[in-house]
Amino acid sequence: KNEVEQSPQNLTAQEGEFITINCSYSVGISALHWLQQHPGGGIVSLFMLSSGKKKHGRLIATINIQEKHSSLHITASHPRDSAVYICAVSPPSNFGNEKLTFGTGTRLTIIP
Amino acid sequence: SAVISQKPSRDICQRGTSLTIQCQVDSQVTMMFWYRQQPGQSLTLIATANQGSEATYESGFVIDKFPISRPNLTFSTLTVSNMSPEDSSIYLCSVGHRAPRHNEQFFGPGTRLTVL
Repeated sequence: KNEVEQSPQNLTAQEGEFITINCSYSVGISALHWLQQHPGGGIVSLFMLSSGKKKHGRLIATINIQEKHSSLHITASHPRDSAVYICAVSPPSNFGNEKLTFGTGTRLTIIP
Repeated sequence: SAVISQKPSRDICQRGTSLTIQCQVDSQVTMMFWYRQQPGQSLTLIATANQGSEATYESGFVIDKFPISRPNLTFSTLTVSNMSPEDSSIYLCSVGHRAPRHNEQFFGPGTRLTVL
């Protein structure tokens, strides 16, 4: 079973700061997901990646398959970025085993 | 991508009652999942809803407590039965496909349930 760990658990920063959230996992995967959960509970998928780096606006996600590690970066952070960020991994492509394994989440608060 | 809606978005219920949550997706999908997120915790998979057959439940979850229906490829319901305050959680529906497309998984807006 894959163990997914995120750090930090909580992060408070000033508006404009560069944010980094880390995710490590224990066994091989087919893809890693970064999810954003708003205070109301709904979840939005930010990135799905299996190698390298992806960028969307002020968000950047990287993954190092050899080190089993991924980072989510937020540049020029804004109070609207305040949310819980969740890392989740997909198992290797085995039929009948499509379930995600989730990290415990990082609660980010950006202060104006 | 898939657009998912859930009803209700939130509810406050009395102990001992039951609540049925609906999940509707705008396209046909192979797999539908139901998750529970207890306060301060990460997501826990309750079951996989199978079209035309019984749901597949994870360890610790049983059909009598969480009956699930999936009458077609775009709709599913989860019922939380005989509720207690410990059932207060966010319940999320997600959809996806079988391997090798299983990396594409999309989440609904969630249902926030409070049991008094």
